[in-house]
Amino acid sequence: RKEVEQDPGPFNVPEGATVAFNCTYSNSASQSFFWYRQDCRKEPKLLMSVYSSGNEDGRFTAQLNRASQYISLLIRDSKLSDSATYLCVVINYDKVIFGPGTSLSVIP
Amino acid sequence: GAGVSQSPSNKVTEKGKDVELRCDPISGHTALYWYRQRLGQGLEFLIYFQGNSAPDKSGLPSDRFSAERTGESVSTLTIQRTQQEDSAVYLCASTLRYFGPGTRLTVL
Repeated sequence: RKEVEQDPGPFNVPEGATVAFNCTYSNSASQSFFWYRQDCRKEPKLLMSVYSSGNEDGRFTAQLNRASQYISLLIRDSKLSDSATYLCVVINYDKVIFGPGTSLSVIP
Repeated sequence: GAGVSQSPSNKVTEKGKDVELRCDPISGHTALYWYRQRLGQGLEFLIYFQGNSAPDKSGLPSDRFSAERTGESVSTLTIQRTQQEDSAVYLCASTLRYFGPGTRLTVL
């Protein structure tokens, strides 16, 4: 089993839709979790941290479920500019593991 | 702005040649990561530097790969006797928040 897994997609959604991504991780001792976005042929950019209590930033909400070992990202009111690949990141001590990413296309 | 810079931005080399890639992190950042991203794939962790501690080299794919960092400054990633499968974008990150634009390496 891979350490961090994501549905590669693509997720094709209309503008204004709500879309959710999940990411599962295998190491229960993982300490920190993040979501990044990566635009085509660009470097990843940190989107937000993920906490058990949930983390909301505008239209984006991230959640951690330690019992089930997954993290989620919810995007409300999707914009065309949200089209990108969304990477989840899991940190085990000093080891930083990127998921393979989920591709999102927001369609007019 | 004073972000992470990498050079060269593009490098084309012949199989068997050595290449050196450079990363200039953000001043004062003690953590520096190198990742590799092959076309259409996720990020592969290569090596992690934290201050003056011994680097975590667990991600280096072979002994042809090596990296150095002097203190908390510039880092260089060296690939000896390059192979075609080394073709990828090599990304450097200063802490986890700031990625450089990457070096696109093409081995012919």
